[in-house]
Amino acid sequence: DTEVTQTPKHLVMGMTNKKSLKCEQHMGHRAMYWYKQKAKKPPELMFVYSYEKLSINESVPSRFSPECPNSSLLNLHLHALQPEDSALYLCASSQVGRGGQETQYFGPGTRLLVL
Amino acid sequence: AQSVTQLDSQVPVFEEAPVELRCNYSSSVSVYLFWYVQYPNQGLQLLLKYLSGSTLVKSINGFEAEFNKSQTSFHLRKPSVHISDTAEYFCAVKENAGNMLTFGGGTRLMVKP
Repeated sequence: DTEVTQTPKHLVMGMTNKKSLKCEQHMGHRAMYWYKQKAKKPPELMFVYSYEKLSINESVPSRFSPECPNSSLLNLHLHALQPEDSALYLCASSQVGRGGQETQYFGPGTRLLVL
Repeated sequence: AQSVTQLDSQVPVFEEAPVELRCNYSSSVSVYLFWYVQYPNQGLQLLLKYLSGSTLVKSINGFEAEFNKSQTSFHLRKPSVHISDTAEYFCAVKENAGNMLTFGGGTRLMVKP
């Protein structure tokens, strides 16, 4: 099973709202990722968690706040977003420590619209 | 630093025709190579990957890709496409240390009846 699930599938929020995106995997993967994808563009890496610790933050604005409460869950908390933050947010997971041969598996994404 | 170039942003092709989607990369170290497919309004699905061993890798739905180290390429091919293959295809590379993927710009495959 190579399934990564994400909720919600769609989200509309105002610029003053607080919302959260959720990602879950049960493959025993110890690395989890958040990507942002704009239309007709490749995914852009936002955050990487390895063994539940934040290992990479690609200079993402503080209005995006990641959280990894356990090895199966990854959250992305959203606050005071801007319309330009509207995008598809993708979660991925992979094994760690396979000599570089880790493969990332992606979820279906949450399509976010900020009004 | 590594980079990935997908030379064609769009590839229109008729159903049952062959197709090749091109991918070239640059890196100063050994890499692992991936093709992901994204159907409309969906996430990315792993199509196939080259990690080691045979340089020709195949997917279950008829796609194949060949790793060519001398030409730093990993082109994706299918001998006969279906309407259902219409999607965005992303080539990605990962250096053998670390866990970051670098994506190409994507190629939109448009299969016409």
